[in-house]
Amino acid sequence: DADVTQTPRNRITKTGKRIMLECSQTKGHDRMYWYRQDPGLGLRLIYYSFDVKDINKGEISDGYSVSRQAQAKFSLSLESAIPNQTALYFCATSDSGRRAEAFFGQGTRLTVV
Amino acid sequence: AQKITQTQPGMFVQEKEAVTLDCTYDTSDQSYGLFWYKQPSSGEMIFLIYQGSYDEQNATEGRYSLNFQKARKSANLVISASQLGDSAMYFCAMREGRSSGSARQLTFGSGTQLTVLP
Repeated sequence: DADVTQTPRNRITKTGKRIMLECSQTKGHDRMYWYRQDPGLGLRLIYYSFDVKDINKGEISDGYSVSRQAQAKFSLSLESAIPNQTALYFCATSDSGRRAEAFFGQGTRLTVV
Repeated sequence: AQKITQTQPGMFVQEKEAVTLDCTYDTSDQSYGLFWYKQPSSGEMIFLIYQGSYDEQNATEGRYSLNFQKARKSANLVISASQLGDSAMYFCAMREGRSSGSARQLTFGSGTQLTVLP
């Protein structure tokens, strides 16, 4: 099994619908992140969490919310999906060491129609 | 200002040749880390190599090496003996070493699409 698992892997949803993307990890890392990838823009940070009680907004948090249900689980919600939220979404984890390499999930391809 | 700049949207290289993918960065921190990730067409993000700002030697990982020029703020990825399987998108990323209170998250460049020609 993958160390960082995202569900679903693909999702098509309608404008205005609420949708949740889930992420779970077996790395034992405290830090978790949600990124979105758009063509030509690289990956941009949506939200990040140091631990269960610590949630922080990233560069592009508008229209998104998150929940850290446990150390191993971090979910991303789109309260009312819009077409420009169509993107590839990644969950990642890291430890708090000097290097703090990020480990990524397989990604969720979300299409809002 | 862009923190990570990758000026080559696309690159082509002949199989078995070496190729350099450019990356420049902008930070006022003394302590930071630079990463390269590979994203094949299947979409996953694969870690390739890491360079710490205080590391005296350039990082190497198999066929990958990082040409780190601190004064020029560049961290170019060199892939030697290219293989067809190296065809992918490559991202440069930086983690800055701010004081406590920051998640020290990765900031990514826009990527370079590498195509290896047979």
